Amino acid sequence: GNSVTQMEGPVTLSEEAFLTINCTYTATGYPSLFWYVQYPGEGLQLLLKATKADDKGSNKGFEATYRKETTSFHLEKGSVQVSDSAVYFCALRHNQAGTALIFGKGTTLSVSS
Amino acid sequence: GAVVSQHPSWVICKSGTSVKIECRSLDFQATTMFWYRQFPKQSLMLMATSNEGSKATYEQGVEKDKFLINHASLTLSTLTVTSAHPEDSSFYICSASVTGGTSNQPQHFGDGTRLSIL
Repeated sequence: GNSVTQMEGPVTLSEEAFLTINCTYTATGYPSLFWYVQYPGEGLQLLLKATKADDKGSNKGFEATYRKETTSFHLEKGSVQVSDSAVYFCALRHNQAGTALIFGKGTTLSVSS
Repeated sequence: GAVVSQHPSWVICKSGTSVKIECRSLDFQATTMFWYRQFPKQSLMLMATSNEGSKATYEQGVEKDKFLINHASLTLSTLTVTSAHPEDSSFYICSASVTGGTSNQPQHFGDGTRLSIL
């Protein structure tokens, strides 16, 4: 079946540190891959996405590259800020119309000044 | 654009009562809506997919008589938790998308409903 595995959290970093949150997936075919972010007390927001192998999604300094050979979509940011503290979800979705996102368990990031 | 409104955001009720959660697409027509359930520190688990005007498709292990889903219009879907018990306490999130052609359209999320059953 289709599934997403994320690294366990929480991840605790100091401001300006480098961030990596690992994500691997299992899927048939060629799904699209996503990172969503959930800030405290808020709903899910799309952070970035990639729709095919070797695509790089980027937004707000975050990046992730769709690696088909390693079935991975790791999230990175070169210099985190306190405002990046949130829960990050990796997700996949097949491109067939009407299919739903499948999420990983989420990784909590806490950044201190 | 693409705003999804979910109501209520928080509800507390007694065991045995039924609770209705509404999910509205405010500025687009949502032919497909998805309902998820999120346990503390766990992932969002897909409960069901509903298409406007037809019966919802439930994921394995989700009781359709317990979680009634109605998607009667292109802008509104409701989830009713019938005869709720403490184990139904959770965070419920809806998501809506337009189904266009053969490709999948973006999913837009509501802010979720925190349900607490006493």
